[in-house]
Amino acid sequence: NAGVMQNPRHLVRRRGQEARLRCSPMKGHSHVYWYRQLPEEGLKFMVYLQKENIIDESGMPKERFSAEFPKEGPSILRIQQVVRGDSAAYFCASSRRHSQETQYFGPGTRLLVL
Amino acid sequence: KQEVTQIPAALSVPEGENLVLNCSFTDSAIYNLQWFRQDPGKGLTSLLLIQSSQREQTSGRLNASLDKSSGRSTLYIAASQPGDSATYLCADSNAGGTSYGKLTFGQGTILTVHP
Repeated sequence: NAGVMQNPRHLVRRRGQEARLRCSPMKGHSHVYWYRQLPEEGLKFMVYLQKENIIDESGMPKERFSAEFPKEGPSILRIQQVVRGDSAAYFCASSRRHSQETQYFGPGTRLLVL
Repeated sequence: KQEVTQIPAALSVPEGENLVLNCSFTDSAIYNLQWFRQDPGKGLTSLLLIQSSQREQTSGRLNASLDKSSGRSTLYIAASQPGDSATYLCADSNAGGTSYGKLTFGQGTILTVHP
């Protein structure tokens, strides 16, 4: 049973470009969470999704960031018009039945904005 | 707003020592508390999850306890080994607010076990 998969593992973008980060949850998991780890800071919650629904996006910046988890395919975290301050490690996690269960994390995508 | 604090921020011990990592949280209304390990440049590995109704969980040389009333959790590592060197993170799933899926993380304890 493969773990949580994220791609790409590393992503370099220039200011103003778009970044798309993908997350495939573990098999049988229908709950997906995105977290961000800024340099020298702890992990911060961004958004919690179930299939086709955003449950909690209280940690998402108000502009330029969006997330989706379609019925088919991976969850996508999209950052439009990236700025240097978006450089961070973005982690995806998934859980099986509901959000009170163990969250399993992917290896992360390290975004560098030049 | 839930806040999670971990003490100490860093710890360096010789191999073989038993050690305790501390985690405290401000809001005792939690669903569970989870301990993770993070190696440099890597993702997080879940070590132990303690439900709010439980007092402790054990896995091999690891034992985690939870005291909701005092807002504290400890991770005990027995007979430490150099391979245990990593950053240890605690996170709780808070019962307050509109979503209980959100994990609130501490800043982590950087553990170094030297031979």
